[in-house]
Amino acid sequence: AQKITQTQPGMFVQEKEAVTLDCTYDTSDPSYGLFWYKQPSSGEMIFLIYQGSYDQQNATEGRYSLNFQKARKSANLVISASQLGDSAMYFCAMRTNGGFKTIFGAGTRLFVKA
Amino acid sequence: DAGITQSPRHKVTETGTPVTLRCHQTENHRYMYWYRQDPGHGLRLIHYSYGVKDTDKGEVSDGYSVSRSKTEDFLLTLESATSSQTSVYFCAISDSGYEQYFGPGTRLTVT
Repeated sequence: AQKITQTQPGMFVQEKEAVTLDCTYDTSDPSYGLFWYKQPSSGEMIFLIYQGSYDQQNATEGRYSLNFQKARKSANLVISASQLGDSAMYFCAMRTNGGFKTIFGAGTRLFVKA
Repeated sequence: DAGITQSPRHKVTETGTPVTLRCHQTENHRYMYWYRQDPGHGLRLIHYSYGVKDTDKGEVSDGYSVSRSKTEDFLLTLESATSSQTSVYFCAISDSGYEQYFGPGTRLTVT
């Protein structure tokens, strides 16, 4: 069965510091994609970053990077130099090549302190 | 940002009444999805479409039906709304089937 697990319901980080949000996944499909989405308090879902299972390098998008450890089945999101606007809910998600479905984790709420 | 809208944005309805939510896109993306978001569950897939008139069930499809007669529109229908269907509903689109772009959401309350 495919599963995404986010074990941190809430996280606090000081402004300008880096923070890592954890995500572990489970799939038997050798080809899959991992995603992170941000949901601010306004409610919209914003795509942040994507990592393919065959990608050799960790994905990066500006201040976001994905720490992909395939053997451990983890895909942690690292946000560098946190900003107050980073306070939001963050969701990890996975899609396998075997289907069109994407499954989401329960999310981690990040609070950035000034 | 992807051109995707949802209507209505808010709706209150009574138990047993039919409800239809509309998702409209201007991006000509092939894939469209309906999710519901509930506290503690993240987003759960209700139905998805991989082309006009091509749809399939997601993980929480009971009580819901969908239709896609045009590329740009994907309708979600609750045949007889129940209180357990009170939720926030998101539509999403994708051209590759991988990264998805979400609409603003519809908050549905069933009383």
